[in-house]
Amino acid sequence: DIVMTQSPLSLPVAPGEPASISCRSSQSLLHNNGYNYLDWYLQRPGQSPQLLIYLGSSRASGVPDRFSGSGSGTDFTLKISRVEAEDVGVYYCMQALQIPRMYTFGQGTKLEIK
Amino acid sequence: QVQLQESGPGLVKPSETLSLTCTVSGGSIRSTSYYWAWIRQPPGKGLEWIGSIYYSGSTYYNPSLKSRVTISVDTSKIQFSLKLSSVTAADTAVYFCARTLAAAGIEFWGQGTLVTVSS
Repeated sequence: DIVMTQSPLSLPVAPGEPASISCRSSQSLLHNNGYNYLDWYLQRPGQSPQLLIYLGSSRASGVPDRFSGSGSGTDFTLKISRVEAEDVGVYYCMQALQIPRMYTFGQGTKLEIK
Repeated sequence: QVQLQESGPGLVKPSETLSLTCTVSGGSIRSTSYYWAWIRQPPGKGLEWIGSIYYSGSTYYNPSLKSRVTISVDTSKIQFSLKLSSVTAADTAVYFCARTLAAAGIEFWGQGTLVTVSS
């Protein structure tokens, strides 16, 4: 099974500053169609998770362009160019390569405002 | 806009069976390519996939829960359901239903329902 590892697990950031979260998978998420099957989600306090990024770097509908995803193979990064108060929550990466047989989430990274 | 709503008892006794239903609105449960999933989150912890079902009835389960899980779909009622048997306190969690597509992420989630296992 694919294991997803995120770092850091806690991320304090001042408003307006950039933030970066790393996600590593134990196996390559690069499909033979050329896409990386890696998603990013944000779960705000008390809410359901919200899709931010799919296929490694494609922003979901309505997601601000300050969010960007990059990486390939086993190493991926979610970047927030300028953190805002509404970005507080827990960020999860998830491998989608094995859907529907298996979905695997990272442990989560809690972003808080300094 | 697709919406999903979980329903079912919020309290289940140890050793009994947890049963939840997810009702889909604003879209067809028979849409090709989509899988309908159950995902749970114990209090203060991360997300765990329980299992998925296609509208035709094909199912996939998390190996760690496979012996206790049954997911079914009722296309006429636009619902899919989860049954988890022999529950313990470790099954206490918020249970989410969701629509998934490998090439497009989990775009739609239910609001989640807390199920507590306690006598």
